[in-house]
Amino acid sequence: EAGVAQSPRYKIIEKRQSVAFWCNPISGHATLYWYQQILGQGPKLLIQFQNNGVVDDSQLPKDRFSAERLKGVDSTLKIQPAKLEDSAVYLCASGGTSSWAYEQYFGPGTRLTVT
Amino acid sequence: GQQLNQSPQSMFIQEGEDVSMNCTSSSIFNTWLWYKQDPGEGPVLLIALYKAGELTSNGRLTAQFGITRKDSFLNISASIPSDVGIYFCAGRSYGGSQGNLIFGKGTKLSVKP
Repeated sequence: EAGVAQSPRYKIIEKRQSVAFWCNPISGHATLYWYQQILGQGPKLLIQFQNNGVVDDSQLPKDRFSAERLKGVDSTLKIQPAKLEDSAVYLCASGGTSSWAYEQYFGPGTRLTVT
Repeated sequence: GQQLNQSPQSMFIQEGEDVSMNCTSSSIFNTWLWYKQDPGEGPVLLIALYKAGELTSNGRLTAQFGITRKDSFLNISASIPSDVGIYFCAGRSYGGSQGNLIFGKGTKLSVKP
């Protein structure tokens, strides 16, 4: 079974530029999550999708971050404009839909450096 | 907001030693998950716990869901060099958004010099 795919793996941009990350979840997984992981910290949830609807985006800085999951499969996360403090690893995870399926499976992440 | 306290922050292991780490929360959780993250990779799920008192093993790894529902423990027996990495606990509290996990700051395992 293929895992969660993410691209690109690395990205370097200047502040005030925009950037987009792509995620393809595990086949059949209805739930998709985007996390931000700052160096030395655990992942922090940015947004959760169930199929193509947003379940929780309470921690997403909506003035500069946006995410979509068209057709309920792939997802993109965008930052516009980027700030220095956005330098982090952006992780995508997916999970099943059964009532006990709180397990989340992560992709390799995209390491973003904002200069 | 909810916080998870994970300890120790870091530890050194010698091959063959047993390792223990734990996580405590300020609120009751109904799910505990343990992940391992290697440099440049995403976290990999090791063990999932769903019931208070539950004890689950995965090879040399054993994790327990604390009776108080506010803590969890992970033990690694007879450690080997590939156990090096960062271990994260993650929990989901009652009333939280479905699947909404809170992560600890991690325990970094390194090999003794």
